[in-house]
Amino acid sequence: QVHLVQSGAEVKKPGASMKVSCKASGYSFTNYAIHWVRQAPGQSLEWMGWINTGNGDTKYSQKFGGRVTITRDTSATTAYMELTSLTSEDTAVYFCARNQGPHGGYDAFDIWGQGTMVTVSS
Amino acid sequence: SYVLTQPPSVSVAPGKTATITCGGHNFGSKTVHWYQQKPGQAPVLVIYYDTDRPSGIPERFSGSNSGNTATLTISWAEAGDEADYYCQVWDSSGEHYVFGTGTKVTVL
Repeated sequence: QVHLVQSGAEVKKPGASMKVSCKASGYSFTNYAIHWVRQAPGQSLEWMGWINTGNGDTKYSQKFGGRVTITRDTSATTAYMELTSLTSEDTAVYFCARNQGPHGGYDAFDIWGQGTMVTVSS
Repeated sequence: SYVLTQPPSVSVAPGKTATITCGGHNFGSKTVHWYQQKPGQAPVLVIYYDTDRPSGIPERFSGSNSGNTATLTISWAEAGDEADYYCQVWDSSGEHYVFGTGTKVTVL
């Protein structure tokens, strides 16, 4: 079965950084891009960026102004999302999701991780 | 930035049909995906590329897209269909994905 399993909940101080992992299993990891999406409490979903897991190319939402970095380790079939300079507005559930194909753009997200709650508080 | 507007809530009686709309500028040129999200869970893809259903999604779920509005239709609604529903498009001009504002479906 295809699964994306994310790392556990985190509590961070303002100004700190966070890094969430997303372990893929049950499919060929490098054949599908991975996206990161977040959801603040009571809010809609917000796309953050994607990584082409085959060649490592990335695309980010301009909203995050360079604060987000997505990487992957193909030997571990794991994608990572790092967000820096955290503020209380970054408090959200962070999801990874598999793209329907190797490149982001146009395709839907067909498999999602369980989500990782990150709380930013002093 | 591109905005996708959905009604905040839709109510439907069991066995009846629920219709959820998603509107945006120049929508007809974009393909739409739809997700179902139950409380405390991750979203689940229910419709992709306007009208296609992933395996395992009941035929009761269908989609359409014309003009400036996309529509998700849930036929013969069941209690288990209660959830938030989000539409999504790829905005090629801004090179980013956009999600709709979300619609809470209640089966009364």
